[in-house]
Amino acid sequence: EAGVAQSPRYKIIEKRQSVAFWCNPISGHATLYWYQQILGQGPKLLIQFQNNGVVDDSQLPKDRFSAERLKGVDSTLKIQPAKLEDSAVYLCASSSADQGTQYFGPGTRLTVL
Amino acid sequence: AQSVTQLDSHVSVSEGTPVLLRCNYSSSYSPSLFWYVQHPNKGLQLLLKYTSAATLVKGINGFEAEFKKSETSFHLTKPSAHMSDAAEYFCVVSDTGYSTLTFGKGTMLLVSP
Repeated sequence: EAGVAQSPRYKIIEKRQSVAFWCNPISGHATLYWYQQILGQGPKLLIQFQNNGVVDDSQLPKDRFSAERLKGVDSTLKIQPAKLEDSAVYLCASSSADQGTQYFGPGTRLTVL
Repeated sequence: AQSVTQLDSHVSVSEGTPVLLRCNYSSSYSPSLFWYVQHPNKGLQLLLKYTSAATLVKGINGFEAEFKKSETSFHLTKPSAHMSDAAEYFCVVSDTGYSTLTFGKGTMLLVSP
């Protein structure tokens, strides 16, 4: 069974530029999560989708971050414009409705200069 | 509200000696508790989970953890460390079963020959 796929693996941009990350969850997983992991900290949930609807986006900085999950499968997380403090690893995870355990992708490491 | 405190940011052991990674949690409900491991440039991998069944939980790679409600602890142990165990370990709590995960700051395990 293929795991959670993310791309790109690494991205370097300058502040005020925009960037997008892509996630493909495990096949059949209805729930998809985006986390932000700043160096030296544990991951923090940004947004949770159930199929293509948003369940929790209370910690998403909505003035610059946006996310979508069209057709309830793949998801894209966008930052526009980026700030220095957005430098982090962005992790995508997915889970099935019956089992619930979250499975994580390898992450995208973003560096904002 | 839920929270997790990992008591050590770094733990150093010699190969073949026991491992103890300490975790205390705070939860308003009967929590679910998890340990995840993160190897460099890899995604988070679930080691084990507690969901109100047996208090001693066995995970992958010889790790186990004991849920102690009276001490609000969920320490991770392994009888004999292997070089491949060197990684960062995260203790995670969820009030709502599986959905909303709160991560600790992580413990880096260093294993010397």
